[in-house]
Amino acid sequence: QQPVQSPQAVILREGEDAVINCSSSKALYSVHWYRQKHGEAPVFLMILLKGGEQKGHDKISASFNEKKQQSSLYLTASQLSYSGTYFCGTEAYSSASKIIFGSGTRLSIRP
Amino acid sequence: DSGVTQTPKHLITATGQRVTLRCSPRSGDLSVYWYQQSLDQGLQFLIQYYNGEERAKGNILERFSAQQFPDLHSELNLSSLELGDSALYFCASNRLAGNEQFFGPGTRLTVL
Repeated sequence: QQPVQSPQAVILREGEDAVINCSSSKALYSVHWYRQKHGEAPVFLMILLKGGEQKGHDKISASFNEKKQQSSLYLTASQLSYSGTYFCGTEAYSSASKIIFGSGTRLSIRP
Repeated sequence: DSGVTQTPKHLITATGQRVTLRCSPRSGDLSVYWYQQSLDQGLQFLIQYYNGEERAKGNILERFSAQQFPDLHSELNLSSLELGDSALYFCASNRLAGNEQFFGPGTRLTVL
């Protein structure tokens, strides 16, 4: 079952922060985050494997709450290069190695 | 450049036809994944192969089939094409399932 991402779209000014949420109805083994720019292939950001795990990647970080089956992606002090569509992909214990992606969150950064 | 190659880049064909999309994974990667992305839609998982064997299946239509060859390249065959099959088809690869996936540039299929 496809994870639910929110919001569907967000518009920020450069330097503002954003949070993108991803939730699943299934018990999750891992959560993957990817960014896709228009007309390009998705690019890996990070994987979270353990409940409560947090990871960072420059000014982009994420958390994974295994009990709530939720993950959040945090973008701080956003830059123009952060524009794109962000996808979370979830791997459930019941279907290991199969990553199901959410419908994406479109992020637009204005100068 | 992810190291994953896909051919062709673009494909235009007619309804009812059959096409084959090809993917070469990164050197050393044993897993290949196929995804379908319709216009402004998310990534729909189709199928995964690991070292030549089917490992996981998603919402892949019966008209679609795939295989992974001994040299680890993979092909996705789409038959009896319909207008709704028009989409971007991505291939991704990784060394171990569950790890970061490296996506190819995609094949844009247009069915007229």
